[in-house]
Amino acid sequence: DAGVIQSPRHEVTEMGQEVTLRCKPISGHDYLFWYRQTMMRGLELLIYFNNNVPIDDSGMPEDRFSAKMPNASFSTLKIQPSEPRDSAVYFCATGDGEAFFGQGTRLTVV
Amino acid sequence: GESVGLHLPTLSVQEGDNSIINCAYSNSASDYFIWYKQESGKGPQFIIDIRSNMDKRQGQRVTVLLNKTVKHLSLQIAATQPGDSAVYFCAENPHAGNMLTFGGGTRLMVKP
Repeated sequence: DAGVIQSPRHEVTEMGQEVTLRCKPISGHDYLFWYRQTMMRGLELLIYFNNNVPIDDSGMPEDRFSAKMPNASFSTLKIQPSEPRDSAVYFCATGDGEAFFGQGTRLTVV
Repeated sequence: GESVGLHLPTLSVQEGDNSIINCAYSNSASDYFIWYKQESGKGPQFIIDIRSNMDKRQGQRVTVLLNKTVKHLSLQIAATQPGDSAVYFCAENPHAGNMLTFGGGTRLMVKP
């Protein structure tokens, strides 16, 4: 297995634009997590899914953020509209007990 | 203005020495703990885990110790190598398979 695959690796966008981050989990893992990492706050859990169903989205900062998992092979995190303070590295992780992380998407909103 | 970020504690060790990285966790109900290693530009990488019914677990060159009485976790790295230089995070999980809560991290610097 290639591990958790995230795309794009880097994204630079203008304030107000929509941003979509993508994640392909490791096959067979029941849990999928979206994390955000910044110097200010460290690693924060945004939302997680179990068997494609959102379980806890209390970490999602505001309504501009949304996440979906239409099937066991794919998840998206969308920010609309994006703001400069959303600049961070966003990680997708999957697991069934532990969590295995992707390489992350570095988002810069200018 | 000047931005204020997380001040990561830093542990500096000589190559070949043993390293001990400590972590205090917050939730007495946590029953599963993981240590992660994060190198620059990469995602956190699973190193070793331990469940609350154990107080010690060993891997290859790494040992995790759990003291539930004082809610303390430590990671010991034997014969530290330059490739061990990274930020190390402990994570706790109240119920295995559910959300992980991460500590702030410790930066390990290995001097050749």
